[in-house]
Amino acid sequence: DAKTTQPTSMDCAEGRAANLPCNHSTISGNEYVYWYRQIHSQGPQYIIHGLKNNETNEMASLIITEDRKSSTLILPHATLRDTAVYYCIVRVAGEYGNKLVFGAGTILRVKS
Amino acid sequence: EAQVTQNPRYLITVTGKKLTVTCSQNMNHEYMSWYRQDPGLGLRQIYYSMNVEVTDKGDVPEGYKVSRKEKRNFPLILESPSPNQTSLYFCASRTGGRVEYFGPGTRLTVT
Repeated sequence: DAKTTQPTSMDCAEGRAANLPCNHSTISGNEYVYWYRQIHSQGPQYIIHGLKNNETNEMASLIITEDRKSSTLILPHATLRDTAVYYCIVRVAGEYGNKLVFGAGTILRVKS
Repeated sequence: EAQVTQNPRYLITVTGKKLTVTCSQNMNHEYMSWYRQDPGLGLRQIYYSMNVEVTDKGDVPEGYKVSRKEKRNFPLILESPSPNQTSLYFCASRTGGRVEYFGPGTRLTVT
C-alpha cells in the first residue's frame, strides 16, 4: 500500500470549515483513499473513502486531485467534538487480507 | 444497532495470568482483526481472520493467540501476559474489502 504524508497538527475555529490535506504521491490505480478519525483513545471511526471522484456524505467531503497524488478531507462546519486525530490511509479495496496501515495522522484541534 | 463490542473495557492483571479479551460483531462480517495501539507506534495489527476457522498473523502476533469458531466472535488470548503487552487493544470487523468498523477498545495493564 502507498504511504501517506499528513501535517502533524492543525487548528480550526469552531463553525469554520476544516481542511485536512494528505499526500499520497505513490498511490496505485486500484488504491482507494480512506479517512478515519480517533477521538481520544476511542476506537477509530470511519469517515469517508473514494477512488478518484470527489465524495460527500453526512460527515465530510473528500476532494481527490485529478492526478490522485493528494486529497483533502473537508469538515464543513467544525465543532468542538471534531477535535481528534485524523488518519489518511490508502488501501486496495476488495481484498480481504489487506489491512489498514495507520500512520501518525493529523491532530485537529477545534477551538471556540 | 450495528456495532463491535469488546469486553472487558479495562483490565489490570499480573504477569503470567492467562486472560481473554472478547470481541463480538453483529454485522455478519467475514473479516475480523485485532490491533494494539501504543504511544509513538500507532495502531498495529496483531491477528486477523478472513472467516470462521481462518486466521493469520498480523504485524505483531508474538505472545497472542486468537480463535474464530463462530462468525460473530473473535477472542484475543494472552496465555502468559507480560508488561510489554500493556496497551490499548481494538477489535475491528468488515465485509468485503471496504469499511472497517472498530470496537471501543480495551485498556490492558500488566504488572
